[in-house]
Formats: sequence, structure tokens, C-alpha cells
Amino acid sequence: KQEVTQIPAALSVPEGENLVLNCSFTDSAIYNLQWFRQDPGKGLTSLLLIQSSQREQTSGRLNASLDKSSGRSTLYIAASQPGDSATYLCAGYTQGGSEKLVFGKGTKLTVNP
Amino acid sequence: NAGVTQTPKFRVLKTGQSMTLLCAQDMNHEYMYWYRQDPGMGLRLIHYSVGEGTTAKGEVPDGYNVSRLKKQNFLLGLESAAPSQTSVYFCASSYSSGRFSYNEQFFGPGTRLTVL
Repeated sequence: KQEVTQIPAALSVPEGENLVLNCSFTDSAIYNLQWFRQDPGKGLTSLLLIQSSQREQTSGRLNASLDKSSGRSTLYIAASQPGDSATYLCAGYTQGGSEKLVFGKGTKLTVNP
Repeated sequence: NAGVTQTPKFRVLKTGQSMTLLCAQDMNHEYMYWYRQDPGMGLRLIHYSVGEGTTAKGEVPDGYNVSRLKKQNFLLGLESAAPSQTSVYFCASSYSSGRFSYNEQFFGPGTRLTVL
């Protein structure tokens, strides 16, 4: 059974710092991977989708990479801002359950002014 | 485009009552999903649909039923609500799924349900 782990569970950084959020899968046989942002009391907003044939995706100050051989993904946030404070979730499709997106429990990020 | 919408936003039920949550999407997506989110448990898939008229069980289907009579709508029903079903429910949709490209999932704002 595919399990997704996100480390750390919580992270607090000063404004302006570059940071990395980690996501790992127990089964490295994954297909596309998606990173989400969730603000308190809100739904999930899709940030980046890395398709199976890709190794990374970039959007503004965000860069996500996927290493399928090791079953790991990282989300890099450059020059963090207080508005980046939220919970970040990663999720991926696995070969065994092609319609099922498996989620990590998230990393709660706080960026302090 | 409104994207994915959910009604209602909040609901309080008594044990044993029934209700239906409605999800609607205007992106012409084939795939639709219902998740529940609980503290410490993360997001778990309840049921999903790969097209109009089809439904399938997810990770935690017990106590829930679903229907996909129209492509744009996906209904989640609770026939006899229990306190264990207190949760935040999210609907999502995607153009395709799994190994295919363009399987990005888009989420609705959620329904916060409390069962007393």
C-alpha cells in the first residue's frame, strides 16, 4: 500500500528565506505528482503538477522536482513571504491504483515577518 | 468559470439523520472524487467516478453512497449520519487520471459537517 510522508510536519522561517519541503513515497512506482496549498478553513489549491515524463516544474518562486527512482519529491520556495504561510500537501498516483491520488499529511509552513 | 462548487458549506446533523452533499463542476471533467479530511489523518478518498453513470469505492466508503447521474454533478449521501462522520468533505474533479497526462485535480471549497 502506497504511503506518502511529508517532512517536516511544521516549519517556521523568517521572511526572505529559501526553503525546501520534502515528500517521499513508500512505493517509488508513481505516476504524476501534484503539490497543493491549503489555507486554514479553505480548500486545496493546485500549485504544480509534475507529469510522469517530467522531472520538475516551475511556477514563479516555486519549483517542484520529482525523483521517481528514489520515490521523492521536493518543493522549493524562494524568497519566502508571510503570504506563503499555509499547509502544503503533496499527492501522487500509483501504478496499483490508477484512479487514486494518495496524499501526504502536509507540512504547515509559517513565514514570520 | 466557477470551477468546482460544493453545497452546502456548513451543516449540523443529529445522529441518524440523512443528507446529501452536492458537487458541481463546469470544466467538462470526466473524473470526480469525494474526500474527507480529518485532523491527523490527512485526506482520504471516499468514492470516485470515472464518468457519467459510474461510481467506485475509495479508501473509506462505508456509510456513504454516491451518484453521478449527470457528468457535471457528483452527489454524496449519508443515509444515517454518525458522529464518526464529522469531518470536512471535499469534492474534486480532473480531466483524466492516473498514468495519463492532464490529470491535475481541482478541488472545491469544502463542506464542514458536524454530527451530534
